Amino acid sequence: ELKVEQNPLFLSMQEGKNYTIYCNYSTTSDRLYWYRQDPGKSLESLFVLLSNGAVKQEGRLMASLDTKARLSTLHITAAVHDLSATYFCAVEVEDDMRFGAGTRLTVKP
Amino acid sequence: ETGVTQTPRHLVMGMTNKKSLKCEQHLGHNAMYWYKQSAKKPLELMFVYNFKEQTENNSVPSRFSPECPNSSHLFLHLHTLQPEDSALYLCASSQPDRGTNTIYFGEGSWLTVV
Repeated sequence: ELKVEQNPLFLSMQEGKNYTIYCNYSTTSDRLYWYRQDPGKSLESLFVLLSNGAVKQEGRLMASLDTKARLSTLHITAAVHDLSATYFCAVEVEDDMRFGAGTRLTVKP
Repeated sequence: ETGVTQTPRHLVMGMTNKKSLKCEQHLGHNAMYWYKQSAKKPLELMFVYNFKEQTENNSVPSRFSPECPNSSHLFLHLHTLQPEDSALYLCASSQPDRGTNTIYFGEGSWLTVV
């Protein structure tokens, strides 16, 4: 059974700091997705990673995929308050799409 | 305008009521989904429809009954729910054969069972 684990589940950081969110999964896959969810809102697609070594960047967020380690990271650079949200990774294996539990990020001044 | 719209956005219902959640997608996708999101569990996939055919029922209790009349519309009929069914119900759609399977979510329907 495909399992997806994110850590940390809760992250409180100061503006201007850097941090990384980790997404580990249990079954071989080369398709990984990152989503963002603001409080009371739906999920919004951030990144799609489709191969080993894939790296995508958007603003202060950078996502990478290591299929051999079954690990994806979401790196936050110089955090700002607007990045406060819950971040989900999702792993696709054949017809199964499994989401992690989410990382609730709070960026404080 | 969002690509996936859900109504109602908020619903309070008694345990003996019958209600329905509605979802419509304007993205031309072939696959539609119902997810449940609660404080206790991560996103739980409930149902998947592909070309109007149900391809997955993730061990969901029969008090939840999906209906997909066409590729653009999806319903979730609710009957005799329990308080623990209170959650955010998210509808989503995707086009799996376009190289990636990015899922597009609706705003969700907040359900409270009293």
